[in-house]
Amino acid sequence: LAKTTQPISMDSYEGQEVNITCSHNNIATNDYITWYQQFPSQGPRFIIQGYKTKVTNEVASLFIPADRKSSTLSLPRVSLSDTAVYYCLVGDGNTGGFKTIFGAGTRLFVKA
Amino acid sequence: DAGVIQSPRHEVTEMGQEVTLRCKPISGHDYLFWYRQTMMRGLELLIYFNNNVPIDDSGMPEDRFSAKMPNASFSTLKIQPSEPRDSAVYFCASSLARGTGFHNEQFFGPGTRLTVL
Repeated sequence: LAKTTQPISMDSYEGQEVNITCSHNNIATNDYITWYQQFPSQGPRFIIQGYKTKVTNEVASLFIPADRKSSTLSLPRVSLSDTAVYYCLVGDGNTGGFKTIFGAGTRLFVKA
Repeated sequence: DAGVIQSPRHEVTEMGQEVTLRCKPISGHDYLFWYRQTMMRGLELLIYFNNNVPIDDSGMPEDRFSAKMPNASFSTLKIQPSEPRDSAVYFCASSLARGTGFHNEQFFGPGTRLTVL
C-alpha cells in the first residue's frame, strides 16, 4: 500500500477555497485515491475518490495529475462546519480497497 | 437506516478487566472493520471481516485482543486482560462490496471511548 504525505494542519477563513494536497509517490497502477473527513468525536466519513484527472461531487473536487503521484482535495467556499481532519488514502482497487491505511491527516481549522 | 451502531459509547474499566465492545453493521453490508484511534498512533485498522469470516487480522496488536462475527448483524471486539495503553476510541465500520477496481466506501459508527485505569 502506498504511503501518503499530507500537511499536518491548515488554517482558512470562511468563504475561501481550500486546497489540501497529498503526496503518494509510490502509487501503484491499480490504486485508487480516496478522501475521508472526520469531525471531532465522530467516525470518518467518505468524501470523494478518483483514479485520474478530475472528479467533482456536491462536497468537493479531487484533482489528480497525469503521473498520479499526488492529488489535491478542493473544498469550495468553506464554512466553520468544515473544520475537521481530512485523510488521504491510497488503496488497492484490485481488492476493493478494503485494507485501509489512514495517515495522520490534515487538520483544517476554518475561522470566522 | 440507523447506520452502524456501537455499544457502549463510553467504557471505563480497571486494568486487568475484560472489555467487550459491540457493533451492529448496516444491514446488507458484507464487510465489517474494527479500528482504533489514539492521538499517538492515529487511526489504525485492527481487523476486517467479509461475510462474517476474518480476512486480515494483522493489525490486532496482541493476543489480548480478539474479534468475532457470529452473524451478519453483530460483531464483538474483546480485550482480555485490558491495560491502560488500550485506552482509545474504537470504531466499527461496514461496507458493501460493489466490486473491485475502486475503493468501496466505509461507513463508520460513532465509536466507543475506552478508558482503562
